[in-house]
Amino acid sequence: AQKVTQAQTEISVVEKEDVTLDCVYETRDTTYYLFWYKQPPSGELVFLIRRNSFDEQNEISGRYSWNFQKSTSSFNFTITASQVVDSAVYFCALSEAHNDYKLSFGAGTTVTVRA
Amino acid sequence: EPEVTQTPSHQVTQMGQEVILRCVPISNHLYFYWYRQILGQKVEFLVSFYNNEISEKSEIFDDQFSVERPDGSNFTLKIRSTKLEDSAMYFCASSARLAGHYEQYFGPGTRLTVT
Repeated sequence: AQKVTQAQTEISVVEKEDVTLDCVYETRDTTYYLFWYKQPPSGELVFLIRRNSFDEQNEISGRYSWNFQKSTSSFNFTITASQVVDSAVYFCALSEAHNDYKLSFGAGTTVTVRA
Repeated sequence: EPEVTQTPSHQVTQMGQEVILRCVPISNHLYFYWYRQILGQKVEFLVSFYNNEISEKSEIFDDQFSVERPDGSNFTLKIRSTKLEDSAMYFCASSARLAGHYEQYFGPGTRLTVT
């Protein structure tokens, strides 16, 4: 069973538009962590954010913001005023206590920002 | 800033050959991981390693795979007899502690091409 579902395979926007990436997770643990990683065309995995299951406060970092809702098991990611450099594949991941905290990744969402 | 390094960046090998992918984790980290990403697909957990032994492995990590920390600094993934389907990007990661709030730092990856 999929632990992390990213329903959007690809999103294409024009520069300066906002884009929201959905992430829905499934776990039986009460202690878990959620992550977002960016994978630009060069291929490396760039850490963006980590959130623990006890902290539902939304977070903003520059043009990035995250909305964590335990009630719907979602951890959505919004890029405000997108730029061409935001073009990448974005992965949501889950880390669970009973799984030695290994990362379970979603399938990724490819974001293309057009000038 | 400390980082995880991986060599080589790209390895081409013939089917049936043995390959060793090398990683140098961050020096004070204790937990080490290998993940795999087949082109265009999600990142998948292969194995975690702690205290000189495997702590968990996935179904992908069969008898053809092995890991080793030969000298206290390197962390290697060996594929004994490569198959075409082993072609993928292999990421090494390390973390300071076994807990989700200790981030896993990823290396830049090794692209393995099996011909």
